[in-house]
Amino acid sequence: EVQLVESGGGLVKPGGSLRLSCVVSGFTFSNYSMNWVRQAPGKGLEWVSSISRSSIYIFYADSVQGRFTVSRDNAKNSLYLQMNSLRAEDTAVYFCAGGSEYWGQGALVTVSS
Amino acid sequence: DIQMTQSPSSLSASVGDRVTITCRASQSISSFLNWYQQKPGRAPTLLIYTASTLFDGVPSRFSGSGSGTDFTLTISSLQPEDFATYYCQQSYITPITFGPGTTVDVK
Repeated sequence: EVQLVESGGGLVKPGGSLRLSCVVSGFTFSNYSMNWVRQAPGKGLEWVSSISRSSIYIFYADSVQGRFTVSRDNAKNSLYLQMNSLRAEDTAVYFCAGGSEYWGQGALVTVSS
Repeated sequence: DIQMTQSPSSLSASVGDRVTITCRASQSISSFLNWYQQKPGRAPTLLIYTASTLFDGVPSRFSGSGSGTDFTLTISSLQPEDFATYYCQQSYITPITFGPGTTVDVK
């Protein structure tokens, strides 16, 4: 059974930091590029970042460039998103996704004072 | 950036209806187009990739077509479990972009 389990979400003040993790099982993690996608409350889907299988290629949305850092550890079947300088507009559910096929259930990040 | 639009933004339908959703890209994306279904409080699930290929386990009542800039998702006979929001997504080039979604609700 494919599972992607996000953790690390929570309430943080503007300017603060959080680190999301996504642990994968049920498919060969190292064979997939991985993505972070977010969804603000009541809104649509927004792509945040992608990382290639061996971490050679990394891409970010303009809205998070310079503030967020994606990384992965293929030995631990894990994906990470370090989020710094958080803003109210970063409030969303953050999904990790394996390629287009496999999605986690999401981690809620709330940025509020 | 490639802009994705969808029409309609919402529609009301009955079980058994044929439903068609359109997605348009602001420039050609070849066939790098995915369709997702999302139910409230749940993660999106992949329905169709590369415009017309059904993902594993997706019922055959779902189909996709198109290439270039214009794409269509069709549900041939709407079932109760199909009431949801549908998103298209281009994976041709970063930034990856999604359409705004089409909500299918009960007439």
